[in-house]
Amino acid sequence: EAGVAQSPRYKIIEKRQSVAFWCNPISGHATLYWYQQILGQGPKLLIQFQNNGVVDDSQLPKDRFSAERLKGVDSTLKIQPAKLEDSAVYLCASSSDPGLTQYFGPGTRLLVL
Amino acid sequence: GENVEQHPSTLSVQEGDSAVIKCTYSDSASNYFPWYKQELGKRPQLIIDIRSNVGEKKDQRIAVTLNKTAKHFSLHITETQPEDSAVYFCAASSPAGGTSYGKLTFGQGTILTVHP
Repeated sequence: EAGVAQSPRYKIIEKRQSVAFWCNPISGHATLYWYQQILGQGPKLLIQFQNNGVVDDSQLPKDRFSAERLKGVDSTLKIQPAKLEDSAVYLCASSSDPGLTQYFGPGTRLLVL
Repeated sequence: GENVEQHPSTLSVQEGDSAVIKCTYSDSASNYFPWYKQELGKRPQLIIDIRSNVGEKKDQRIAVTLNKTAKHFSLHITETQPEDSAVYFCAASSPAGGTSYGKLTFGQGTILTVHP
């Protein structure tokens, strides 16, 4: 069974630029999560999708972050404009249903200069 | 919302010794408690999990215990090996119904170093 795929793996941008991350969950998984992991901390949930609908975006900085999962499969997370404090690893995870085991992708390491 | 505290932040043991990591949570409705291992530069990987209808679960050298009354759970690794060296995260999740949607809240992580 293929795991969660993410791209790019690394990204370096300057502040105020925009960036987008892509995630392909495990086939058949209805629930998709985006987490932000700052160095030395645990992952923090940014947004959770159930199929193509958002069920939790309470910790998403909506003035600069946006995410979509239009067809209920792949998802993109965008930051515009980026700030220095957005430097982190962005992890995508999926589960077959909410509350069940979450499987993580390899993450995208973002450095904002 | 849920708050998860994890201790210690760093743990150093000799190969063959046991290691114990403890977590406390705040939301009494939480019913799912996974533990993830994250090696440097890698993705978090689930190593064991427990649900609130059991008090203990074991998988070879790894065990997790849960005390719902005290709202804490622990990871126990016996006969540690150098390849156990990694960052370990605990997490807690409330039921998927209601307003929580099965959201995971993670602890701050424990850096485990096993010396040969």
